Amino acid sequence: DVKVTQSSRYLVKRTGEKVFLECVQDMDHENMFWYRQDPGLGLRLIYFSYDVKMKEKGDIPEGYSVSREKKERFSLILESASTNQTSMYLCASSRLGDRAGELFFGEGSRLTVL
Amino acid sequence: GEDVEQSLFLSVREGDSSVINCTYTDSSSTYLYWYKQEPGAGLQLLTYIFSNMDMKQDQRLTVLLNKKDKHLSLRIADTQTGDSAIYFCAESGTGGGNKLTFGTGTQLKVEL
Repeated sequence: DVKVTQSSRYLVKRTGEKVFLECVQDMDHENMFWYRQDPGLGLRLIYFSYDVKMKEKGDIPEGYSVSREKKERFSLILESASTNQTSMYLCASSRLGDRAGELFFGEGSRLTVL
Repeated sequence: GEDVEQSLFLSVREGDSSVINCTYTDSSSTYLYWYKQEPGAGLQLLTYIFSNMDMKQDQRLTVLLNKKDKHLSLRIADTQTGDSAIYFCAESGTGGGNKLTFGTGTQLKVEL
């Protein structure tokens, strides 16, 4: 069964803390993505990566960074968490090419920043 | 930039048809997608349509694409309680799918 696994389902952090969200996929996909999901706003792309050590900014990269040291793993980092980063974070992966829009999602990580 | 819009809520009775609508702005999109998100879960791909098609049918699902009006719809026939979920449309833009733009999502509630 193919899978995208996010390390934490629920996290509670304090303002100013550094936060790591980990994502691992077992499908040998080239593309990996981090989205945040907020009610009424849908999914907004934070960062994506199409290869190891490659990354590109999405629509809302401010306050976030990413790391892709291995093909299967894509990490989202909040250097100094703020309350407006309270959200659901979704990781996804896909192949390159024509099937690139067929995203496989993890179950999400719900982050609360106090 | 690209923008994809959907109404936020839809309520239907079990057994009726549901129609979820979506408008998008990027006329160069190669593919358009429908994703489903069940409670407490990530999104999963439901179906997609290539931009040179007008219609695609897959069992209870029918996708209609009006490229002139940049309008996409998803019809679910004989809607069941298990269809209750959030439905997102998404467009691929010119990149062919490497970077999707998602709509706001439509919460479908199926009542008995």
